Amino acid sequence: ETGVTQSPTHLIKTRGQQVTLRCSSQSGHNTVSWYQQALGQGPQFIFQYYREEENGRGNFPPRFSGLQFPNYSSELNVNALELDDSALYLCASSLGRDRAYEQYFGPGTRLTVT
Amino acid sequence: AQSVAQPEDQVNVAEGNPLTVKCTYSVSGNPYLFWYVQYPNRGLQFLLKYITGDNLVKGSYGFEAEFNKSQTSFHLKKPSALVSDSALYFCAVTPRGNNRLAFGKGNQVVVIP
Repeated sequence: ETGVTQSPTHLIKTRGQQVTLRCSSQSGHNTVSWYQQALGQGPQFIFQYYREEENGRGNFPPRFSGLQFPNYSSELNVNALELDDSALYLCASSLGRDRAYEQYFGPGTRLTVT
Repeated sequence: AQSVAQPEDQVNVAEGNPLTVKCTYSVSGNPYLFWYVQYPNRGLQFLLKYITGDNLVKGSYGFEAEFNKSQTSFHLKKPSALVSDSALYFCAVTPRGNNRLAFGKGNQVVVIP
């Protein structure tokens, strides 16, 4: 059984640029959720994708967008990067939407915006 | 909406002494409760969860937590702390049928040799 993987591990971007982060869900899981963990904070829910459709969104602006592919892998896109977007981005997969109690987390992508 | 409070920023404990990390929560309906640990520059590592049943939950690495519904608490405990337990600990909650976990701000645990 393959666990949740994320790429890249780290990246550095400049303010105003765009970034794409990737997540492969655990084998058999059809739902991916994204969380942002700013320095010194707990993870905050960004959104969830279930069968290629968004299933709920946290308090994040529209420049945070996502995509889920037929193989259930997912992308998080952030446009017009701001310094405050610097954070660890975590994805979690689960079998079925609205099953946050069964989420498995990936190792995260560390984004630094300069 | 669900929320978690972890009232202490840092918990210092001597190696070999009992460790307690406090967590209280607010949620509509029956809660599912979690503890995660995070080491520097790493992702979240699952420790234990309460879904239903026995209020005392045993998890990885000798950790346990007690669900107290009347006090809306889910404190994490370890009878004898190790230096390697030094890390950041997060409590999280979600109600059944929800799509997201709500995390506390975390507690830094420092185990002193």
